[in-house]
Amino acid sequence: DQQVKQNSPSLSVQEGRISILNCDYTNSMFDYFLWYKKYPAEGPTFLISISSIKDKNEDGRFTVFLNKSAKHLSLHIVPSQPGDSAVYFCAASAQGYGRGSTLGRLYFGRGTQLTVWP
Amino acid sequence: DAGVIQSPRHEVTEMGQEVTLRCKPISGHDYLFWYRQTMMRGLELLIYFNNNVPIDDSGMPEDRFSAKMPNASFSTLKIQPSEPRDSAVYFCASNNQGLANQPQHFGDGTRLSIL
Repeated sequence: DQQVKQNSPSLSVQEGRISILNCDYTNSMFDYFLWYKKYPAEGPTFLISISSIKDKNEDGRFTVFLNKSAKHLSLHIVPSQPGDSAVYFCAASAQGYGRGSTLGRLYFGRGTQLTVWP
Repeated sequence: DAGVIQSPRHEVTEMGQEVTLRCKPISGHDYLFWYRQTMMRGLELLIYFNNNVPIDDSGMPEDRFSAKMPNASFSTLKIQPSEPRDSAVYFCASNNQGLANQPQHFGDGTRLSIL
């Protein structure tokens, strides 16, 4: 059962435009959300995160928005650059959840391949 | 600062052979995670450790899979006997859960091919 879903397997955007990657989750206990970027033959690298007490977090060209009522988050990249071409994974965890077996565990979406063309 | 180190980077072996994947977490990190990435299932958690103790192994697919963490700086994931359907990229990650909301840091993975 996929608790974190990225329904778009791919996205193609022209350089300089905005890239919007979407993610939905089903577990209302999730309170911490992350985006990872992955290049071929490398491991995922952390990009940006957001806690459920916020609805927006910004870091340079990257902004993550969280809509808790809709159980939806999105990653905006403005302006997009060819070097941003990678697979982007959305992940969620229940940091405040008390049961030890799930505390801190990340649940990942399947990823979205972003291609930024010149 | 060195990141998570995995070895080997690539492994090709025949069905039935034992396979051992290795991971050195970032020094000071007290959580270690093993993931598998496939086209069909995406990135799935196999097992994770806290202070060298396995906490949740519910993602381990079968008894053929086992993982150990004999000390804070080393972990292994073993498959015995290996099967073609085990072919995937296996990632190790670590973090320090003592610090609030710390992201996991991933190694570059081991690409495993079982013939």
